[in-house]
Amino acid sequence: SYVVTQAPSVSVAPGQTATITCGGNDIGGKSVHWYQQRPGQAPVLVVYDDTDRPSGIPDRFSASNSGNAATLTISRVEDTDEADYYCQLWDPRSDEQVFGGGTKLTVL
Amino acid sequence: QMYLVQSGAEVRRPGASVKVSCQSSTYNFTANYVHWVRQAPGQGLEWMGRINPNTGVPTYAEKFQDRITLTRDTSINKASMELSRLKSDDAAVYYCATSRHLPGAFEHWGQGTLVAVSS
Repeated sequence: SYVVTQAPSVSVAPGQTATITCGGNDIGGKSVHWYQQRPGQAPVLVVYDDTDRPSGIPDRFSASNSGNAATLTISRVEDTDEADYYCQLWDPRSDEQVFGGGTKLTVL
Repeated sequence: QMYLVQSGAEVRRPGASVKVSCQSSTYNFTANYVHWVRQAPGQGLEWMGRINPNTGVPTYAEKFQDRITLTRDTSINKASMELSRLKSDDAAVYYCATSRHLPGAFEHWGQGTLVAVSS
């Protein structure tokens, strides 16, 4: 089945930019979605279809997807952004939805 | 706004089965794909399966193929996930979530149901 890799952790100071990446073979050919999960809470969709934000998600959250990497960028990081972030896609070959392993964002 | 409400926490013995339900009173959420995702303590998200909104036919992740049953009751806007032959590593929070189409994002999530497996 399709494998998606994420770095387990990223640290950034408040006000700086955080970059979280999902790697996969030709992931740029798939539609990638991103979720934020705070401790003890259900995941929340922050980016869908590679680059689009649901209503209510601040424009500090942006994303791209090309080649073998999809990237979530959080600008002007705030304390409230500290959470786990997961990428997710549908693999048509296996007909399964796939999650990356998750990246824990720590705000220093 | 679509609210998905899941059934309460469960405790089961190894080898038993558990059934978790997901219901919405505000929207015909069964017109969407209904997915089930689990999260073991301290671990990541794991997709388990989905139900097709048009046909009601389920698709299961290969890992759970022989132990999972997904159903829906459109008359009461409810979906259910049953997992059999529970093992200790099935202890997790189980979520339902919906997407409008197959490659689509999981737009709405239930609050999660904690399943403990202990002898």
